[in-house]
Amino acid sequence: EIVLTQSPDFQSVTPKDKVTITCRASQSIGGNLHWYQQKPGQSPKLLIKYASQSISGVPSRFSGSGSGTDFTLTINSLEPEDVAAYYCHQSSTFPQTFGQGTKVEIK
Amino acid sequence: EVQLLESGGGLVQPGVSLRLSCAASGFPFSSYAMTWVRQAPGKGLEWVSGITGFGGSTHYADSVKGRFTISRDNSKNTLYLQMNSLRAEDTALYYCARPYSNAYFDHWGLGTLVTVSS
Repeated sequence: EIVLTQSPDFQSVTPKDKVTITCRASQSIGGNLHWYQQKPGQSPKLLIKYASQSISGVPSRFSGSGSGTDFTLTINSLEPEDVAAYYCHQSSTFPQTFGQGTKVEIK
Repeated sequence: EVQLLESGGGLVQPGVSLRLSCAASGFPFSSYAMTWVRQAPGKGLEWVSGITGFGGSTHYADSVKGRFTISRDNSKNTLYLQMNSLRAEDTALYYCARPYSNAYFDHWGLGTLVTVSS
């Protein structure tokens, strides 16, 4: 099983700050890494597909990068509505797996 | 519009069985693999099981292998998860999700809550 390790687990930030979340895979997964946002009480929502590809309707302040084992989700200029948990997910190999999540809150 | 509606959750005792359903609409159901993902209270997401479009191939997380069975009825546009020998650690909100190109989950249901407790 491929283990995805996110860091940090929790981040408290000021509006308009830049947020960086990393996801490290226990073995190479190429570009088969996707990011989701889950707001309290809601189902997860796709943010980024295949490590760096944008999703229609998702604000441009969200971006992704990386390949192989190291990936990054960046939120440029955090907005109050970005308070949520963020998860990475690998679809390279079964069983598919998620990172443990990163909670982002406003200071 | 793609819709996924889970049902079948509830409060059950350890050791019993439960079957979850996910009614799909708004897309050609048999053309898509489908997946179950769960989330224990206050915890993160856990991939549980996946099935190909015509049901010929299934996959399971190690935590449920041998106890859970995923299936689908394409004539009814419905996905199922048969859960046997339920344990307290199976307590979670169970989501049905659609993987696009067998990769990322582009649509999710609202989930159905399973609570295993004596």
